[in-house]
Amino acid sequence: AQKITQTQPGMFVQEKEAVTLDCTYDTSDPSYGLFWYKQPSSGEMIFLIYQGSYDQQNATEGRYSLNFQKARKSANLVISASQLGDSAMYFCAMGEFGTSYGKLTFGQGTILTVHP
Amino acid sequence: EAGVTQFPSHSVIEKGQTVTLRCDPISGHDNLYWYRRVMGKEIKFLLHFVKESKQDESGMPNNRFLAERTGGTYSTLKVQPAELEDSGVYFCASSQHPENTEAFFGQGTRLTVV
Repeated sequence: AQKITQTQPGMFVQEKEAVTLDCTYDTSDPSYGLFWYKQPSSGEMIFLIYQGSYDQQNATEGRYSLNFQKARKSANLVISASQLGDSAMYFCAMGEFGTSYGKLTFGQGTILTVHP
Repeated sequence: EAGVTQFPSHSVIEKGQTVTLRCDPISGHDNLYWYRRVMGKEIKFLLHFVKESKQDESGMPNNRFLAERTGGTYSTLKVQPAELEDSGVYFCASSQHPENTEAFFGQGTRLTVV
């Protein structure tokens, strides 16, 4: 069984600073994918970034990067140069490789608040 | 391109009533998923359609929940009869074949059973 743990219920960051949102995972699957989604107050879930378990390099998408440490089973999201619009709930999720990545296991989420 | 759309955005019903949630996936996406987030808990997988076939319904909580995807396009999730513990946000997501592409989520339907 897969499990995702997000230990930070809430995080605060000053605008323009970087912030790291923690995510650890547990799985017995040899191949898997890790995802981060953003949920603003409007409710929709927005895909941010994906990391495959066999990817050698950390994934990056604009201001988002995923700090993947396989041995530690962690997949932290780093947001650089925070903006007020980054204030939202952030979910870390995992999918099993070889299945459609829509079947995901989610963490409990972290609420990020960006202060001006 | 239109995203995943869900109807209604909010629904308040009484215990024992029936509610039907609808999801329109992104056009051309064969995979359609339903998820649910009960207050204070994680988002949980309910089931997965590939076209009109149920690929995996291991997350469906009980037989009061019925999902359909006739014709392989939109999907409905019916709760009958609704119970208080069914309250939460129901998300739908879709993805393309081939596998291993990310899923795109709708905005969710907030269901409140009173």
